[in-house]
Amino acid sequence: GIQVEQSPPDLILQEGANSTLRCNFSDSVNNLQWFHQNPWGQLINLFYIPSGTKQNGRLSATTVATERYSLLYISSSQTTDSGVYFCAVEPTYNTDKLIFGTGTRLQVFP
Amino acid sequence: KAGVTQTPRYLIKTRGQQVTLSCSPISGHRSVSWYQQTPGQGLQFLFEYFSETQRNKGNFPGRFSGRQFSNSRSEMNVSTLELGDSALYLCASSGQGTDTQYFGPGTRLTVL
Repeated sequence: GIQVEQSPPDLILQEGANSTLRCNFSDSVNNLQWFHQNPWGQLINLFYIPSGTKQNGRLSATTVATERYSLLYISSSQTTDSGVYFCAVEPTYNTDKLIFGTGTRLQVFP
Repeated sequence: KAGVTQTPRYLIKTRGQQVTLSCSPISGHRSVSWYQQTPGQGLQFLFEYFSETQRNKGNFPGRFSGRQFSNSRSEMNVSTLELGDSALYLCASSGQGTDTQYFGPGTRLTVL
């Protein structure tokens, strides 16, 4: 089945720093979403981005579907950005609704 | 508009018992999906329901089942609980014309 890999697995930043999270996937997908899971387990949808670039405040994302990767950029990080970031893909050739990556755990310190 | 709600939020059961979890989607959303999150396996797709019909199913044993009602509310049931079923169970809903998934807060199940 399709493989979804995220890097880095862990990231420690000081407040104000910028970061780039990467998501690689091994097969064709219909869509890709980025989520932030807060310490209480709630998954918050950040972007629905099957291709192209989107921006929302300090966050932006780019998906290059032909090269099978997506990037999430976090600028001027804040302590509230801490948590786990997941990318999830809907495979073209599989009936699973969403396949999640392994996540990037981000810790932002003041 | 209210978000996705899940009940109960926490549950403790013993091996061999069965459990039913409930999910109410965002008003107007007809698709509900269920996921299991464990430290070892991560987030895994269980099944998706749309208009009371199971549309997709993940690779889980038959002990895991679900259903959807005419008001789009969904339940999932796990029978003959095993220790490995301890997990955070998340449901998500999406609306017509979009595949964006909106997740509920989850039900944390502990099997003793």
